[in-house]
Amino acid sequence: GNSVTQMEGPVTLSEEAFLTINCTYTATGYPSLFWYVQYPGEGLQLLLKATKADDKGSNKGFEATYRKETTSFHLEKGSVQVSDSAVYFCALSGSGGSYIPTFGRGTSLIVHP
Amino acid sequence: GAVVSQHPSWVICKSGTSVKIECRSLDFQATTMFWYRQFPKQSLMLMATSNEGSKATYEQGVEKDKFLINHASLTLSTLTVTSAHPEDSSFYICSAVPVGQGSETQYFGPGTRLLVL
Repeated sequence: GNSVTQMEGPVTLSEEAFLTINCTYTATGYPSLFWYVQYPGEGLQLLLKATKADDKGSNKGFEATYRKETTSFHLEKGSVQVSDSAVYFCALSGSGGSYIPTFGRGTSLIVHP
Repeated sequence: GAVVSQHPSWVICKSGTSVKIECRSLDFQATTMFWYRQFPKQSLMLMATSNEGSKATYEQGVEKDKFLINHASLTLSTLTVTSAHPEDSSFYICSAVPVGQGSETQYFGPGTRLLVL
């Protein structure tokens, strides 16, 4: 079946540090890949997505590249802010004819001033 | 655009009572809505798929008689936790798929936190 593996958190960084949150996946076919963000007490918001190999999704300074050869979709940001503190979920969908997303366990990011 | 609301945002109830959670798509119509459950520091677990005008499809291991889902209109789905027990305490999140789009495009509600005493 499909699965998404994310690095365990929490990830703790100082403001303006570089961020990488690793995500790898297992799926059949050519799924679409997503990053969602969940701020404290809120639901998930789509952060970015990529629908085919080598696509780069980007939004709000975050970016991730769909790497089929390494089955990865790592999230990066060059300079994090305190307001980026949240839980980040990697997800895939569209594998095996199903468009119901499979989510990773989430990675908590804490950014200190 | 594409806003999904949930009501209530949080609820505390006594064991044995039933709790209804509403999920509304505010500015679009949705034939399909999903209900998820999220445990602390864990990922979302899909509970069921709610289709307007038909019975919900439940994921394996989810009791359909305990978690009643009704999708009465293109903008409203409800989840009723019947005879709630402390182990039902969780964060419940819904999502909605706009008419004409695939399930790949889901807009999430803000979630409902349920605490059963």
